[in-house]
Amino acid sequence: GENVEQHPSTLSVQEGDSAVIKCTYSDSASNYFPWYKQELGKRPQLIIDIRSNVGEKKDQRIAVTLNKTAKHFSLHITETQPEDSAVYFCAATSGGGADGLTFGKGTHLIIQP
Amino acid sequence: NAGVTQTPKFQVLKTGQSMTLQCAQDMNHEYMSWYRQDPGMGLRLIHYSVGAGITDQGEVPNGYNVSRSTTEDFPLRLLSAAPSQTSVYFCASTPLQGGDSPLHFGNGTRLTVT
Repeated sequence: GENVEQHPSTLSVQEGDSAVIKCTYSDSASNYFPWYKQELGKRPQLIIDIRSNVGEKKDQRIAVTLNKTAKHFSLHITETQPEDSAVYFCAATSGGGADGLTFGKGTHLIIQP
Repeated sequence: NAGVTQTPKFQVLKTGQSMTLQCAQDMNHEYMSWYRQDPGMGLRLIHYSVGAGITDQGEVPNGYNVSRSTTEDFPLRLLSAAPSQTSVYFCASTPLQGGDSPLHFGNGTRLTVT
């Protein structure tokens, strides 16, 4: 099955700086890579996703890049704000239904004022 | 639309007790799934269903049963609760088979087994 590794487990950045979270996956057949944000005590919510036919996708201050050859993808958050503080999860799936989404273990992003 | 609704929000069980976690969605999604979330472990798939009458195991199915008699409902049953099942449980759905589209999560059920 798929295996997703996520780094770092904790990331502390100054407000206004950029944050980068990296994930690697093992199954070359994986073709869908979403990112979820989870605030304390809340449910995970999708913030951005990318499919394997695209190398980069951007939505305002958030961007995701995908390197299929190296089997890794990254989340980039620019001009970080206090409300960006949360746990972020990457995930991957080949979409075949057999395994569903496989999640990384999460990154706790802390925005320092 | 209410989206994905989970009940109860909190539950405390004693070892050996059984219970059912309820999950319902009103979006006519074919794909539904159950995840458990433990500190430092991310979200791990327990069981999933690609449509009414069809269920299958995920990564950590032991100790749990599911059924899918309707498109809307996907209950998770703990047959004999163990302390290792203390966790936060999330139900999620998506309109397409295989989950290669955004998952809609419920608000979660926090279960403690003593």
